[in-house]
Amino acid sequence: TQLLEQSPQFLSIQEGENLTVYCNSSSVFSSLQWYRQEPGEGPVLLVTVVTGGEVKKLKRLTFQFGDARKDSSLHITAAQPGDTGLYLCAGAASGTYKYIFGTGTRLKVLA
Amino acid sequence: GAVVSQHPSWVICKSGTSVKIECRSLDFQATTMFWYRQFPKQSLMLMATSNEGSKATYEQGVEKDKFLINHASLTLSTLTVTSAHPEDSSFYICSPLSIEQFFGPGTRLTVL
Repeated sequence: TQLLEQSPQFLSIQEGENLTVYCNSSSVFSSLQWYRQEPGEGPVLLVTVVTGGEVKKLKRLTFQFGDARKDSSLHITAAQPGDTGLYLCAGAASGTYKYIFGTGTRLKVLA
Repeated sequence: GAVVSQHPSWVICKSGTSVKIECRSLDFQATTMFWYRQFPKQSLMLMATSNEGSKATYEQGVEKDKFLINHASLTLSTLTVTSAHPEDSSFYICSPLSIEQFFGPGTRLTVL
């Protein structure tokens, strides 16, 4: 069974601070996605990475896929209260479109 | 992107009753639908994969007789929680197979 461990589990920071969320596994993924989910809603896709070592930027968010495609990180610069939410990584093994979700990181950004 | 709706958005039922959750793909033909369950403050757990016109495949530990999935058309997949119990209370979310994965808004089930 593929497992995706995220760290930290919880993070409470002040507005303007930077943070990094990690997503680690012992399995290799053909693609990895990051989502943000707000209470009572479905997850919303932020980014998909498919190439080892790939780095993608989305405004203040920077996503990196590990060289071995077993891990990923999400870095947020100058966090804002609007960034508050549950961040989930999800990986799919080669040859499948079935995504397994990480354990989640709950972020709270205080004004 | 694809628009996915779920109905109902929330439901409260008594223990022992059955509840049907509908997932509609409004502008997208979904040959495959993924059903997830999310307990409070936890991540999403894949329950099953349904394919239009064929039987669903269930993840390990998910009872297929308890969680009945029907995918009768390219735009509709349903999940029926049979003989619901309080431990089935959860947030159920569907997602059609697509290049960029989209999710329905979810259905919150509370079993009393």
